[in-house]
Amino acid sequence: DTGVSQDPRHKITKRGQNVTFRCDPISEHNRLYWYRQTLGQGPEFLTYFQNEAQLEKSRLLSDRFSAERPKGSFSTLEIQRTEQGDSAMYLCASSGGSGLAGVSEQFFGPGTRLTVL
Amino acid sequence: DQQVKQNSPSLSVQEGRISILNCDYTNSMFDYFLWYKKYPAEGPTFLISISSIKDKNEDGRFTVFLNKSAKHLSLHIVPSQPGDSAVYFCAASVYNTDKLIFGTGTRLQVFP
Repeated sequence: DTGVSQDPRHKITKRGQNVTFRCDPISEHNRLYWYRQTLGQGPEFLTYFQNEAQLEKSRLLSDRFSAERPKGSFSTLEIQRTEQGDSAMYLCASSGGSGLAGVSEQFFGPGTRLTVL
Repeated sequence: DQQVKQNSPSLSVQEGRISILNCDYTNSMFDYFLWYKKYPAEGPTFLISISSIKDKNEDGRFTVFLNKSAKHLSLHIVPSQPGDSAVYFCAASVYNTDKLIFGTGTRLQVFP
């Protein structure tokens, strides 16, 4: 399977705990994205990397959130001191860089569903 | 401020008929548009895209139409099949920003 993978698929935690999610992109893709999706909404952009550089962060990404992509391959998203409002599906996507009109299609992983009790 | 809007939360179509899913946007800087399909417990799957320099793009049973003056795009699926039953998201991007802005989705049900 050469698609985007995410681990874990499900995470249940208590409020105040820290959680970390991992994303492995498609191997030849240099861009990696994190999105968050809540019930009834479309995915919302959080941040993205080109290789190991984090190029943009949404205002949705509070100080409790941090993302890394240390070697330009896999990425981690950490949420510190989780709150019930953090409960959502966290989606990772990757793309191969500029395609048509400077944007290439993003390919999504299955997501990590976070439930904060 | 919802920049990409899908005003129909659901659509039900008979197998073999045409499904038309609609999407409106407000940001005139958007110049690239994509449609994704999502099954439960899976991530969105890319379907088809269109650049603002075109008004139509076709791929098999899927055709996307773009009306820039009306800031409207639509996805046509013909003929519809039961396996097409899923949630469909419209997304848009500004050139070279790489950030996709998604609509809220339309749930399509194709019945026999």
